Amino acid sequence: QVQLQESGPGLVKPSETLSLTCTVSGFSISGGYYWGWIRQPPGKGLEWIGNIYHSGSTYYNPSLQSRLTISVDTSNNQFSLRLSSVTAADTAVYFCARGGAISPYDAFDIWGQGTMVTVSS
Amino acid sequence: EIVMTQSPATLSVSPGERATLSCRASQSISTNLAWYQQKPGQAPRLLISGASTRATGIPARFSGSGSGTEFTLTISSLQSEDFAVYYCQQYNNWPTFGGGTQVEIK
Repeated sequence: QVQLQESGPGLVKPSETLSLTCTVSGFSISGGYYWGWIRQPPGKGLEWIGNIYHSGSTYYNPSLQSRLTISVDTSNNQFSLRLSSVTAADTAVYFCARGGAISPYDAFDIWGQGTMVTVSS
Repeated sequence: EIVMTQSPATLSVSPGERATLSCRASQSISTNLAWYQQKPGQAPRLLISGASTRATGIPARFSGSGSGTEFTLTISSLQSEDFAVYYCQQYNNWPTFGGGTQVEIK
C-alpha cells in the first residue's frame, strides 16, 4: 500500500531554513498525482503549505510563497520542503500527503504520520 | 482566500446518536469539499470528497451533503471510535481548512 514518511530536523533556529523530506513507498511519484505539505501548529487547525507534481510544477500558499520552495526527486521517490527565515510561528507538525490525480487542488487521501518541528534558539 | 467556517466548535453527543456538523464557505465552491477526521497524535483521515463521496473504507454511517457555500457531515449513529475532531477543506481554489469541530462524548 502507499505510505508516506516525513523526515528532517525537529529543531530549527529562528531566521534559519526548515528542511523536510517526504519519502513515498508503494507508489512511484513519476506515476502521477500531486503531492503536498500541510502543517498544524500545536493545538490548532490545518494549513496547506503547497503542492508539487512529478514534473516539478509547484503551487504555493500565497502567504508562504516568498519563503517557500518545494522540490521533487523522482529517482529517490521523494519530495522536499524548504521554508526560509523561520520564526516561532512556523512551529508545527508538518504532514506530507498525496493529493489529486488530475487537479493541483484536491483532497488529500493518504497522509504521512507527521513530524514536529520546533523553531527555537 | 476562501474562508471556511465550521460549526459548532464542540458537539456533545451520546453514543448511538446522530451528529450533524456544518461547514460554510465564504464564496461558492461547487462541490469541491472534503471532510477529514483527526484523532489525537494522528494524521487526518479522509472521509468524504466531492462533498458527498465516501473515501475507500469509510463506513456508510458517514455521509456528506451540500453544494455552493453550505455543507453538512452527518454521522448517523456515533460509535466510540468516532469521537474526534473533524475538519472540512475546500479545493475549489488553493486549499483552505475550517477550524474544526470537536465531537465529544456527552
